[in-house]
This record gives sequence, C-alpha cells and structure tokens, in this order.
Amino acid sequence: GAVVSQHPSWVICKSGTSVKIECRSLDFQATTMFWYRQFPKQSLMLMATSNEGSKATYEQGVEKDKFLINHASLTLSTLTVTSAHPEDSSFYICSARDYLGGQPQHFGDGTRLSIL
Amino acid sequence: SQQGEEDPQALSIQEGENATMNCSYKTSINNLQWYRQNSGRGLVHLILIRSNEREKHSGRLRVTLDTSKKSSSLLITASRAADTASYFCATDKGNKLVFGAGTILRVKS
Repeated sequence: GAVVSQHPSWVICKSGTSVKIECRSLDFQATTMFWYRQFPKQSLMLMATSNEGSKATYEQGVEKDKFLINHASLTLSTLTVTSAHPEDSSFYICSARDYLGGQPQHFGDGTRLSIL
Repeated sequence: SQQGEEDPQALSIQEGENATMNCSYKTSINNLQWYRQNSGRGLVHLILIRSNEREKHSGRLRVTLDTSKKSSSLLITASRAADTASYFCATDKGNKLVFGAGTILRVKS
C-alpha cells in the first residue's frame, strides 16, 4: 500500500533553533499534503494544507512565519519550525493525498519535537 | 476546532470482549473515516463509510453511520491485546479531515 515517510522521527534541540521535518510519499505522487500537530492525549489539529507548487494554506491561529511549509515536488513537503521555543514541543504528523484526491489520506509516523 | 466528539474517552476491556466507540459530528459530510493510532506513531486508516451507506464491515470491524443523528459507531469484535490504541473518527470536510477527540482503548490480556 501507499507509504508516507516522515523524518526525523524524534528531534531534541535548543531554544532558538530552527528545525526541518520532511514528509515524503514513497510510491505515489502527492499533490496535497497536510501537516498536523498533536499534544499528548489529544486529537490531531490541522495546521496547514500544502499544495505542490503553490503556497500553503494555513489554518486560523497558525503562524505562517513560524511554521514554514514548502512543497517543491510531488513527493516531498517540508515543515520548518523557525526559532523554536519550548511551547513548540509537540508531535507533528504529515499526511498525503494522491493526485486523484483519493481517500484515504496516508499518514507518516510522526515527528516528536522537544525544545529545551 | 474539532468537529467530532467521541465517547467514551477511554475504554478498558478484557481480551475477547467487544469494544464499541461512538462519534458525533455537527455538519453534513461526504464520508466518515476511522483511524487507529498506536502510542507515539502515526495514524492507520481502518475504514471509510460514505454518507449514503449505513453499515460497513472489515474483518473484526463494524462501522455504522446514522446521518440523521450525525453519529457513527465503531465496533471491534473479539478484541485482542494488539487492539490497544487510540481510535479517532474523522469527517471529510472539503479537502480536509476533521478529527474527533478520540477514544483510548486498552485491551487487557
């Protein structure tokens, strides 16, 4: 089946550092990718929708200058958390939908980000 | 904001018992999906039910959808310890999925 690879799976860094998370669709072309944030024991909150070759669409309350999204190819989207602070610590998950807009979305295994 | 609400928030059962989780939503939908999340991992798609369907089966899973009540249920029969996970319903709203709060299921062996 379709596979979405997310890297890294875990990152710890100092406050003020920028962190990049990659989301790759391994065996299909993903025109649309989604980035979610999940706090412990809570549900997934959609942060932004990433469309290949165009600007991402951010959900209300998500700072676009803080969470930079790039979707430069049909198989790769990146989320960069700029100048990260402890409150940015969370579990970040990406998902991808193929070029036919098919269901279901395919999810990566998530990235646990810890900012010290 | 989350559209779906799920109950119970947590469920603990013995291996072999059935587990039922419910999900309610607020607006009209194209389809409703159920996902499983093992601790610290991504989501695994379990089943999708379209708005014109009332019931769907997949192995030990049975999903029902009542669009008049805007609710859905997920039944896992003959549960196993490996079914221990969080379960989320998600409604398809345009191009996006809106997730419920989730149910934490613990199956004791």
